[in-house]
Amino acid sequence: SQTIHQWPATLVQPVGSPLSLECTVEGTSNPNLYWYRQAAGRGLQLLFYSVGIGQISSEVPQNLSASRPQDRQFILSSKKLLLSDSGFYLCAWSVEVLRGEAFFGQGTRLTVV
Amino acid sequence: KNEVEQSPQNLTAQEGEFITINCSYSVGISALHWLQQHPGGGIVSLFMLSSGKKKHGRLIATINIQEKHSSLHITASHPRDSAVYICAVRSGGSNYKLTFGKGTLLTVNP
Repeated sequence: SQTIHQWPATLVQPVGSPLSLECTVEGTSNPNLYWYRQAAGRGLQLLFYSVGIGQISSEVPQNLSASRPQDRQFILSSKKLLLSDSGFYLCAWSVEVLRGEAFFGQGTRLTVV
Repeated sequence: KNEVEQSPQNLTAQEGEFITINCSYSVGISALHWLQQHPGGGIVSLFMLSSGKKKHGRLIATINIQEKHSSLHITASHPRDSAVYICAVRSGGSNYKLTFGKGTLLTVNP
């Protein structure tokens, strides 16, 4: 069966520090991968998606970047965190040719102080 | 205006009550998802709908494509149903993009 792992679960980082959140998927190949952010009091917002290794599309301009070094690995990064980067970050995957259902990781709660 | 609107934003019910959460959207879609987010933040996909009605246990989801409206019903609600319920729509196109509503916070009291 397919599973998705996302870590860490919580993170407190100072302003100006770097960020690296990792997401891996097991049990499937060539998934579509997504990073979402949920800011306080707001709905989920798509940040990045990837349809293959090295292919990244950005939905909103921001202080973050994403990379996909392997088929089932998706990384969210920042060189210098801002206070406004605080939020809940979710990784998700889907396989287009199947039911089109999305599967979510457990999320990372990031607090920038 | 958000493309996906949910109502109510907050809902408090007594155990055993029948619950309805509504979702309206303004764009053409190929599918609609109902998601459940627990206090820890993890999200579980409940349903994916493109037409009609689906049932899973005490949960029922319906969609009316012409009216651009979907409802999530919970029968015989239980305190463990307390969570945020999120409606998300999938627009047409080759890439899988979801637009989310802001969620409905459901609290079921014993």
